[in-house]
Amino acid sequence: KQEVTQIPAALSVPEGENLVLNCSFTDSAIYNLQWFRQDPGKGLTSLLLIQSSQREQTSGRLNASLDKSSGRSTLYIAASQPGDSATYLCAVLNYGQNFVFGPGTRLSVLP
Amino acid sequence: DAGITQSPRHKVTETGTPVTLRCHQTENHRYMYWYRQDPGHGLRLIHYSYGVKDTDKGEVSDGYSVSRSKTEDFLLTLESATSSQTSVYFCAISEPAGGWETQYFGPGTRLLVL
Repeated sequence: KQEVTQIPAALSVPEGENLVLNCSFTDSAIYNLQWFRQDPGKGLTSLLLIQSSQREQTSGRLNASLDKSSGRSTLYIAASQPGDSATYLCAVLNYGQNFVFGPGTRLSVLP
Repeated sequence: DAGITQSPRHKVTETGTPVTLRCHQTENHRYMYWYRQDPGHGLRLIHYSYGVKDTDKGEVSDGYSVSRSKTEDFLLTLESATSSQTSVYFCAISEPAGGWETQYFGPGTRLLVL
């Protein structure tokens, strides 16, 4: 059974800092991995999707990497801004199965 | 937002009463999902559907049933609500695309069972 964990559970940084969020998964036979953002009281918004054959994806100040062999993904946020404050979740999709979500990292970027 | 709406957005009910949550999509997606989100647990899959009248159980399906009589609507029913079903419920859709599947989520329904 796939299990997904995220470290840290919460993170508080000053504005402008670069930061890394971590996601680990136990079953490396994944189809893809996705990073989502969730604002308080809202649904999830997809940020980046990495296929199993890819190593990384970039969108603006966000860069997600994938290392299947070690069961890890990182989300790098450059030059953080207060508007980046949210909960970030990763989710993995295994072949023939459904998405499995991590518990999320709650990020606060302080002005 | 992939045209997903959920109703109601908030509901307070009493233990033992039946409750039905509705998810409506406007873009003819084949796959629809119901999740619940609780502190410390993240999102957990309740039920999903891969077509009209085609549904299957997820990780936490006990006490829940679903129905999909039309492509656009996916209903989640709590047959006899319990306090442990107090949660935020999210509907999602996806479309298989050769590894590029992503899920799009509705805004959620906050359910409080007293």
